[in-house]
Order: sequence, then structure tokens, then C-alpha cells
Amino acid sequence: GAVVSQHPSRVICKSGTSVKIECRSLDFQATTMFWYRQFPKQSLMLMATSNEGSKATYEQGVEKDKFLINHASLTLSTLTVTSAHPEDSSFYICSAQPELAGDPPFSYNEQFFGPGTRLTVL
Amino acid sequence: AQSVSQHNHHVILSEAASLELGCNYSYGGTVNLFWYVQYPGQHLQLLLKYFSGDPLVKGIKGFEAEFIKSKFSFNLRKPSVQWSDTAEYFCAVLGGSQGNLIFGKGTKLSVKP
Repeated sequence: GAVVSQHPSRVICKSGTSVKIECRSLDFQATTMFWYRQFPKQSLMLMATSNEGSKATYEQGVEKDKFLINHASLTLSTLTVTSAHPEDSSFYICSAQPELAGDPPFSYNEQFFGPGTRLTVL
Repeated sequence: AQSVSQHNHHVILSEAASLELGCNYSYGGTVNLFWYVQYPGQHLQLLLKYFSGDPLVKGIKGFEAEFIKSKFSFNLRKPSVQWSDTAEYFCAVLGGSQGNLIFGKGTKLSVKP
């Protein structure tokens, strides 16, 4: 099956520093990757949609200058939390949507999730 | 905007008990519905999905879900749970403006051996 990895799985940083989280599709090409955020006992909330070679589309209320997204290739998207603050502490999950054509074939709109990154800002 | 509600925050069952987890979405029309499971320390995995056709959908690990359009519901069921089913279960609908999934808050299932 399709595998999506995230690195790091867990990060602790000081307030004011920046943290980069990588999301990779390991065995397929993803034209679209989604970044979600999950607070404890809450649902996953979409932060932004990342399309290879173009600017990310941010959801309302998500600061694009704070959460920088780069989708430089069909297998890698990065989320950088700039000048992190304690309120940014959360669980960040990415998902990747394969190209519809290609080998192996994937079901339309199926997304594959990474294992998530736990960010703690002190 | 589309939304998803899951009625149970935490369900505790004994092994061999039957399971039903509720999920309702907010409005109709064509809907694509999903159930995902997240085992402790692992990533979200797709259990089953409904796009069209037979409203009773069978998924992996013995799970099934029934799409009832009149009730805006897509409840997840399993006749006999096992300890290994202990996990968090998320209902989702494809409904975001970017083709993204909209998730419910999740239901934590604890199965006692």
C-alpha cells in the first residue's frame, strides 16, 4: 500500500524558534498534500493544501507567514512553523493524494496519511 | 459548510460485544464518506469508504458501515469486537473546498479483554 512518512515524529523547541516538518510519499507521486492540525480531543482541522509547484492554499484563520509550506517535488512537502509559541503546540498530520494516473492505480480522492508530528513549544 | 459529528467520545466494550459508532454529516447531495482508524502510536488508516452504490459498505477487519441518506448518517458497525480493535475511529466526509476531508472529533474505543 501507499506509505507516507513524516519527520520528525516528535519535536520539542523553545519559544521563538522555527521548526520544519517533512511529509514524504514513499512509493507514489502526490500532486496534492494536505496539512492538518489536531488538538487534544478535537478533530483534524485542515490548515492548508499544498500543490506541487504552486503556492499553498491556506484555510481561513491560518497565518501563511507563520506556517510556511513548500511542495518542492511530487514526493515532498514541508511545513515550517516560524517563531513558534506555546499555543502552536499540537499534533500535525499530513496526507498525500496520488496522481490519478500512474502505477499502481489508486481510487479517486483516496488520501494516505502520515503518522503525525507532535510539536511541543516550551 | 459541511460538518461531521460523532456522538460518542469514548466507548468501552468487552470482547465479543457488538459495536456501533454514530456519524452524521450536515447536508446532503452527493457525498463521499469515510471511516478511518488510528491505532495507538500509528497513522490514520482507511477502514472503508462510500462513494455510491450499495449503501452497506464492507471494509477491512470485519467492519461495515451503512449510509442512510434520509438520516444523513454513516454509522460504523462490527458484530464482535476484539481487544485489538482498541483505537480511535474517525468519520470523515469529502467536502472541503480543496478536495480535503472534513473529520469528526473521533471516538475512542476501548475493548476490555
